[in-house]
Amino acid sequence: GAVVSQHPSWVICKSGTSVKIECRSLDFQATTMFWYRQFPKQSLMLMATSNEGSKATYEQGVEKDKFLINHASLTLSTLTVTSAHPEDSSFYICSAPGDRGLKNIQYFGAGTRLSVL
Amino acid sequence: AQSVTQPDIHITVSEGASLELRCNYSYGATPYLFWYVQSPGQGLQLLLKYFSGDTLVQGIKGFEAEFKRSQSSFNLRKPSVHWSDAAEYFCAVGAVSSASKIIFGSGTRLSIRP
Repeated sequence: GAVVSQHPSWVICKSGTSVKIECRSLDFQATTMFWYRQFPKQSLMLMATSNEGSKATYEQGVEKDKFLINHASLTLSTLTVTSAHPEDSSFYICSAPGDRGLKNIQYFGAGTRLSVL
Repeated sequence: AQSVTQPDIHITVSEGASLELRCNYSYGATPYLFWYVQSPGQGLQLLLKYFSGDTLVQGIKGFEAEFKRSQSSFNLRKPSVHWSDAAEYFCAVGAVSSASKIIFGSGTRLSIRP
């Protein structure tokens, strides 16, 4: 099956700094990727849809300037949390739909735990 | 608007007992339905999916789910749980189109009693 790699798996940063999270489709191409945020003991909330070669589509209530998304290639999307603050601490997960006959199946990365001090 | 409801926040069952996790959805068109499992601190693993056809779908790890259109439900079942099944389970719904986003339910945490 398709594999999505997410890096780093865990990051600790100081308040006010920016953090970049990478999401890669390892053995398939993904023109679309999705970024989710998950608070402890809660469900995954869709933050944005990353589109290769064009602007990301953000869900209502998600700050575009806070969560910068870049999808520069068919296998890589990045999420940058700018000027991070403690309330941004969360578990961030990306996903990509499979290609060919697997387009309707989402494959998820292992997630990135962000802790902002 | 599409939504997914998992009415049970936390369920505890004894090892070897049967399991049913409930899921109800609201969707304006024919949905794609999924069950995912998440172990602590991990990403999500697809257990099974329903796109069309036979309403009883088989998944990995001995799980199955039944799509009931009249009840807007997609409940997950397993005849005999193992201690390793302890995890968080998410039901999700997606549009019948390629590469579309999916919406998750709030999740059900499954604990296994020895």
